[in-house]
Amino acid sequence: GQNIDQPTEMTATEGAIVQINCTYQTSGFNGLFWYQQHAGEAPTFLSYNVLDGLEEKGRFSSFLSRSKGYSYLLLKELQMKDSASYLCAVRDSNYQLIWGAGTKLIIKP
Amino acid sequence: ETGVTQTPRHLVMGMTNKKSLKCEQHLGHNAMYWYKQSAKKPLELMFVYNFKEQTENNSVPSRFSPECPNSSHLFLHLHTLQPEDSALYLCASSQDLGTGNEKLFFGSGTQLSVL
Repeated sequence: GQNIDQPTEMTATEGAIVQINCTYQTSGFNGLFWYQQHAGEAPTFLSYNVLDGLEEKGRFSSFLSRSKGYSYLLLKELQMKDSASYLCAVRDSNYQLIWGAGTKLIIKP
Repeated sequence: ETGVTQTPRHLVMGMTNKKSLKCEQHLGHNAMYWYKQSAKKPLELMFVYNFKEQTENNSVPSRFSPECPNSSHLFLHLHTLQPEDSALYLCASSQDLGTGNEKLFFGSGTQLSVL
């Protein structure tokens, strides 16, 4: 079967750095997405990786290793507003999106 | 403003009720989706429409009935639901059906409670 694994919950301190990992086992690979979802709100697109390496976008960066079936989302200079759930999703060989259960990130002052 | 609007935001219904969820996208997209989001579980794709035509039904029980009158509007008609159907129902749209880096735009969802 197809599977996406990510930690259920993480806690970090305001101003610090946090890395949210995502590992996947899918039938083929056509890209990996990260979405952010604040409580009670719509998930919003953060990043897309299809080639190995690091993609940087402001305070957020996303890394992909296709050979390891692994990605991470790196958040720097954490702010209280970064408290949210972070969803990892992979497009498989049929271009279907396979979703992880999300990681709830709690930021403490 | 995400460009995708869902109503109502919250819905409480009994198992014998009939209700409908509405979704409207203002982005000019061609594809629309219904997802179910339960606590601590991955998003479950329910239905996909492309240019108003249903392209996917992920073995969803018949008590959920989708309707897509045009590319901008999507409905989910509900009847004789079960308590386990309580969840957040998310609507999403994309420019076209997912190919590669096609990203989804989500609405804020309808939080459904079935009593």
